[in-house]
Amino acid sequence: IQLTQSPPFVSASVGDRVTITCRASQGIDNFLAWYQQKPGKAPKVLIYSASTLQSGVPSRFSGSGFGTEFTLTLSSLQPEDLGTYYCQHLNSYPLAFGGGTKVEIK
Amino acid sequence: EVQLVQSGAEVKKPGESLKISCQGSGYSFTNHWIGWVRQMPGKGLEWMGIVYPGDSDTRYSPSFEGQVTISADKSINTAYLQWSSLKASDTAIYYCARPSGLYYQAVATQFFAYWGQGTLVTVSS
Repeated sequence: IQLTQSPPFVSASVGDRVTITCRASQGIDNFLAWYQQKPGKAPKVLIYSASTLQSGVPSRFSGSGFGTEFTLTLSSLQPEDLGTYYCQHLNSYPLAFGGGTKVEIK
Repeated sequence: EVQLVQSGAEVKKPGESLKISCQGSGYSFTNHWIGWVRQMPGKGLEWMGIVYPGDSDTRYSPSFEGQVTISADKSINTAYLQWSSLKASDTAIYYCARPSGLYYQAVATQFFAYWGQGTLVTVSS
């Protein structure tokens, strides 16, 4: 199963709404997670089961989707949200990641 | 508190062997799989494979099967990633990570909730 993320790069202002898409090469129900990786740090899981927020993650992050198309939305971009975002399918081994979307603050 | 502590940075020559480690604490080591993720310089995350420390069962990505060996020693709560003959293209940061779900739970619960700090492996002549 391959995951294709778009766009590869986003430049947005503080307060903007940002949407990242992840498309799977075959249907994966809701078996998808999203991670954030800040520069120089290990990744951190934000969302699993496509839409369930991991404990401690701010509510401005949300996820949706089912089957082959998924979205991660940041409702109001904050300076601390800069980094790269990855989707990962959880359908069957191997559990591949998408190529990533780098988010920059204007 | 769950912690994964990885071994330090390594500088090796092509053709050399290497084994890096990841020690878990703060949880029952045999309750969860533990995995490895590669990140080449300036690139994305690549899921390499996972090991179940209880019986050393492993799952590899086809991209890494035969290229690396993933193992674990439950007596010292440590997982390993090893190479028998390094290449320059193995230069990367390698993260170990522990899934959220228990080892017997569905694959859908096996997203990585805990991560080590990463080990930088540099392979250069």
